[in-house]
Amino acid sequence: GENVEQHPSTLSVQEGDSAVIKCTYSDSASNYFPWYKQELGKGPQLIIDIRSNVGEKKDQRIAVTLNKTAKHFSLHITETQPEDSAVYFCAASNTGFQKLVFGTGTRLLVSP
Amino acid sequence: IAGITQAPTSQILAAGRRMTLRCTQDMRHNAMYWYRQDLGLGLRLIHYSNTAGTTGKGEVPDGYSVSRANTDDFPLTLASAVPSQTSVYFCASSDRVGQPQHFGDGTRLSIL
Repeated sequence: GENVEQHPSTLSVQEGDSAVIKCTYSDSASNYFPWYKQELGKGPQLIIDIRSNVGEKKDQRIAVTLNKTAKHFSLHITETQPEDSAVYFCAASNTGFQKLVFGTGTRLLVSP
Repeated sequence: IAGITQAPTSQILAAGRRMTLRCTQDMRHNAMYWYRQDLGLGLRLIHYSNTAGTTGKGEVPDGYSVSRANTDDFPLTLASAVPSQTSVYFCASSDRVGQPQHFGDGTRLSIL
């Protein structure tokens, strides 16, 4: 089955810097890759997603890139702000099925 | 505000007791899911339902059961709770299989 690895487990940056979180997946049939942000005491919130027919997607300060050949995808946050501090999860699935396989999360801390 | 409501928000339970976690969504989504979140393991799928009247097993289904009598409700039952089921449980829904999943704010369950 699918296996998703996520790095780093923790990431500390200064406000205004960029942050990059990387994930690799094992199943070449996976074709849907969402990213979730989870704040303390809350459920995961979808922030951006990408499908395998696209190499990059942007939404304001957030972007996701996908390299199908290498089977890895990354989340890029530019001009980080303290409110970006949270745990971020990547996930992968074959949209023919419903099972999302999650990475183990990255705790991002943005210091003022 | 449309979304997913989970109840209770937290619960302490004696081992061996029966417990039902409730999940209701008002988005008329066809698909619903139950995950557990444990430190260092990310989110793992317990059970899912593609549409009312159908259910399926996820990655970690043992010790749990679900039902989907209607579109809006998807309760998760622990027939005889064990300490290893101590976790945070999240319910999610999507318009249909393969579409983005939206999460509730979770139930924190402690089994003593």
